Amino acid sequence: EVQLVESGGGLIEPGGSLRLSCLASGLTFSNAWMSWVRQAPGKGLEGVGRIKSKTNGETVDYAAPVKGRFTISRDDSKNTLYLQMNSLKSDDTAVYYCITGDYGRWGQGTLVTVSS
Amino acid sequence: DVVMTQSPLSLPVTLGQPASISCSSGRSLVSSNGNTYLSWFQQRPGQSPRRLIYQVSNRDSGVPDRFSGSGSGSDFTLKISRVEAEDVGVYYCLQGTHWPDTFGQGTKLEIK
Repeated sequence: EVQLVESGGGLIEPGGSLRLSCLASGLTFSNAWMSWVRQAPGKGLEGVGRIKSKTNGETVDYAAPVKGRFTISRDDSKNTLYLQMNSLKSDDTAVYYCITGDYGRWGQGTLVTVSS
Repeated sequence: DVVMTQSPLSLPVTLGQPASISCSSGRSLVSSNGNTYLSWFQQRPGQSPRRLIYQVSNRDSGVPDRFSGSGSGSDFTLKISRVEAEDVGVYYCLQGTHWPDTFGQGTKLEIK
């Protein structure tokens, strides 16, 4: 069974940085495209970005609101996906979900709160 | 970006009755490889979203057969043949044909 477990969320001041991690199991992680999706409190779903597999060049694509501030990376030796978030704003407050690239499997999410 | 428009945004339904949600995109979702990357998700209160349908009409494993997806091009529909209490939640469509992938606004299904 595929399991995705996010960690690293918390309270951070505007302008600060945070790194989220997602530990994957039950799949051949190195072959998987992986994505991050977020959901602001009481709001809908918004894509953050995705990273392709190494065989697809590990290309990374970002949504416009986070481009230049967020960085997605992966460590296939650790079955782990990362989301480095810099220059955080209050609008980035959300639950962040790690998902497989086909959106078939979702983690439980980790809450990031940007507030002073 | 492709805007996904869902309707209705609120859907009160009597138990045992059918329900239908529409999702419309501003452009065709047929990919260059001929596939149409339109998915449907259910988010129950307090839970992570769960995919129900992928590529328009393919049901995910474990999804009851009362859920069905249809449509083509830029207009799509999710149908629930007989609503049960466990179906309460918010439903989202997603297009994955044109980057960035975009979600609809969500349709809140509640029991009358």
